[in-house]
This record gives sequence, structure tokens and C-alpha cells, in this order.
Amino acid sequence: SQKIEQNSEALNIQEGKTATLTCNYTNYSPAYLQWYRQDPGRGPVFLLLIRENEKEKRKERLKVTFDTTLKQSLFHITASQPADSATYLCALPMDSSYKLIFGSGTRLLVRP
Amino acid sequence: EAQVTQNPRYLITVTGKKLTVTCSQNMNHEYMSWYRQDPGLGLRQIYYSMNVEVTDKGDVPEGYKVSRKEKRNFPLILESPSPNQTSLYFCASSTRGQGDGGYTFGSGTRLTVV
Repeated sequence: SQKIEQNSEALNIQEGKTATLTCNYTNYSPAYLQWYRQDPGRGPVFLLLIRENEKEKRKERLKVTFDTTLKQSLFHITASQPADSATYLCALPMDSSYKLIFGSGTRLLVRP
Repeated sequence: EAQVTQNPRYLITVTGKKLTVTCSQNMNHEYMSWYRQDPGLGLRQIYYSMNVEVTDKGDVPEGYKVSRKEKRNFPLILESPSPNQTSLYFCASSTRGQGDGGYTFGSGTRLTVV
């Protein structure tokens, strides 16, 4: 069955550094992958979508890569700020449908 | 403002007392879905709907019902709630096309069944 893995350990970094989060998947060939941000007790907020034919996508301080050979996506936040502290989820579509399944997320803590 | 509205935000109920959590979206989205989120288990899909009168089970549908009589509304019904349904629930919507948008989530409903 399809499986998505994100590092369950929190990532703790200093303000101004680049945060890099990883999303690995197995038994899958998704047409695209999405990243979301979730604050405690709140609904996830969509950040970026990257398609299988795109190696990299950027939005302001965010950068996402998608390696379909390694079955991995990397999510980078450059010049990180304490306000970036949150849990970040990756999500992939189930088979050819628009049904998304989500990873369990990685918590990012940015120290001032 | 484009949004998904869930009500109530918090709910404490007793075992067996039927309840409904409402979800409404104002973006004319075809696709709507319910998730529950539990510590260590992440977001798990309960039910989803591809359009009006079209619903299907997600990964954890037992104990839940849904209906989609109108495009904008997708209520979640717990006919006989049990303590293992204590969770944080999210409604989400999206267009069916695979453009650059993702799901829009509601603010969540924290349900406690005692």
C-alpha cells in the first residue's frame, strides 16, 4: 500500500538559517505533491504544489524539489523566522483520483 | 472571503447522542472531504464527495455518515458517537481540476465524547 514518511522528530534551527524538511513515499508514482503548513489546533494551509515533471518550484522564501527517482520531496525555507514555526505536511494524490493522503508532518521550531 | 466554515468549533457530548457537524464552502468547489486528526496518526480521511449526491468512503468511515444535497454543504453525522470518536475534525474542499491550488481546510471541530 502507499506510504508517506516524514521525520517525526522536530527540527530545531536558529533564525536566519535554512530549514529543510523531507517527505519520502513508497509504492507510489504521484502526478504531483503538495505541502501544507499547520499551526496547533488549526486547519492545514496549502503552500505549494509541484508536478512530477517539475524538478523545483519556488514561492518567496519557500522552495520545493521533487525527485521521482528517489521518491522524495524536499521543502526548504530560507532565512527562517520564528513565525515559520509550525508543522509542515506533505500530501500526495491517491492513485489517479483527487483524493489526497497526508504525511504525519514534521514540526519546525525556529529559535530567535 | 473564500473559506470553509465548520460548526461548532468545540463540542462535548455523551455516548450515543446523535450529532451533526456542519461544513459549508463559498468557492463553488466540487470536491469536499472530512478528515480526523489524532496524535501520532496524522490526518485520516473519513468520507469524501466528488460532487452533489456523490459520496464515497475514505480510510476510516465506520461510525460516520455524510450527505451532499447541495454543492456548498457537506455535513458529517455521528449517529451514535462513542469515546473513540473523540478527535479533531477538519472539513476541506477543492476544485476537481488539478491546477495549482490545494485543499482549503476549515478551522476544525474539536469533539469530545464522554
